Amino acid sequence: AQKVTQAQTEISVVEKEDVTLDCVYETRDTTYYLFWYKQPPSGELVFLIRRNSFDEQNEISGRYSWNFQKSTSSFNFTITASQVVDSAVYFCALTLPNNAGGTSYGKLTFGQGTILTVHP
Amino acid sequence: EAQVTQNPRYLITVTGKKLTVTCSQNMNHEYMSWYRQDPGLGLRQIYYSMNVEVTDKGDVPEGYKVSRKEKRNFPLILESPSPNQTSLYFCASSTTGSVAFFGQGTRLTVV
Repeated sequence: AQKVTQAQTEISVVEKEDVTLDCVYETRDTTYYLFWYKQPPSGELVFLIRRNSFDEQNEISGRYSWNFQKSTSSFNFTITASQVVDSAVYFCALTLPNNAGGTSYGKLTFGQGTILTVHP
Repeated sequence: EAQVTQNPRYLITVTGKKLTVTCSQNMNHEYMSWYRQDPGLGLRQIYYSMNVEVTDKGDVPEGYKVSRKEKRNFPLILESPSPNQTSLYFCASSTTGSVAFFGQGTRLTVV
């Protein structure tokens, strides 16, 4: 079975600070996909990034960056120069490809979520 | 526009009164799923469907039913809702390994 752990329940920062959200995952499979989703106060889930297990390159998108390290089973998310609009709940998730079979097909296993509050 | 549509967005009901939350997707995805979100627990899968007439239990299926008679629709049925089913519900659709598209969520309160 897969497991995703986001140990930080809540993080509070002041605007313009950098903040890193941690994500640690467990799976016995060698092929998997990792995701980050953002849930703003309005409640919808917004896709941020997908990473497959064979691509360990870090990725940067504007103020967002992701550090994927298979050696430590981590997929951390950093927001640089945080803004009030970044305040949200952030979820890390993992899924397996369809050839994993059984109940794993298409299922997203989510972490508990990290509530990020950015103060002006 | 690719989307997953859930209805209703908000629902308050009484214990024992049957209800259905509808979910429809326009992307011809074969895989659809229902999740519930509770504080401190993240999102947990209730039921999923790999295609028409193929459904199976997720991690927390007790008290729920689903059906998949058409590829685009995947309703969630609570035959006898109880207060512990008060939660935020999301429908999702995807193909394998792809980005899951989520509906806007249904906030259900059972009193």
